[in-house]
Amino acid sequence: DAGVTQTPRHEVAEKGQTIILKCEPVSGHNDLFWYRQTKIQGLELLSYFRSKSLMEDGGAFKDRFKAEMLNSSFSTLKIQPTEPKDSAVYLCASSPGQIYAEQFFGPGTRLTVL
Amino acid sequence: AQSVTQPDARVTVSEGASLQLRCKYSSSVTPYLFWYVQYPRQGLQLLLKYYSGDPVVQGVNGFEAEFSKSNSSFHLRKASVHWSDSAVYFCAVESSGSWQLIFGSGTQLTVMP
Repeated sequence: DAGVTQTPRHEVAEKGQTIILKCEPVSGHNDLFWYRQTKIQGLELLSYFRSKSLMEDGGAFKDRFKAEMLNSSFSTLKIQPTEPKDSAVYLCASSPGQIYAEQFFGPGTRLTVL
Repeated sequence: AQSVTQPDARVTVSEGASLQLRCKYSSSVTPYLFWYVQYPRQGLQLLLKYYSGDPVVQGVNGFEAEFSKSNSSFHLRKASVHWSDSAVYFCAVESSGSWQLIFGSGTQLTVMP
């Protein structure tokens, strides 16, 4: 089975641009998570989908961050407009959607906003 | 609300030495607990998890963790570390009522040759 796939692996954007990060979860998984990882804040949950329904929209991230799950095998995270403080690693994870289940993580997208 | 604290941001040990990485959790109910490892430029990978039963749980690559309800702790241990164990280790608790994970801040482990 393929693991979680994320593209691109690296993204460089100018301030004010719109960027879209992509994620393909493990086939058959019902839950999908987007996290932001920085050295200072650690891992922060941005969005959480269960069976394609948005369960958690990340509170403080709502205004410029929008995650969508177009079908059960593909999700996007749009950041619009980007700001330098958005520079971070964005991780996607999926899970079977059962209690006590492991989350499987992709390798992440490293975003640099100039 | 549940939370996880990893009090040691960095730990350095010599190859072959034993290791303990500390994790304290806060939860009003019996928690689901996890340890993940992140190698450079990779995502997180599960080392082990615990919910009930024997408080010492075995994981991959010789890692184990011990749950203590009285101390609200879930410390990770390894008897003899290898240079390839150098990575960032995250303790996590599953949020009650949902299946989200709450992560600690991570411990950067450096194994010196």
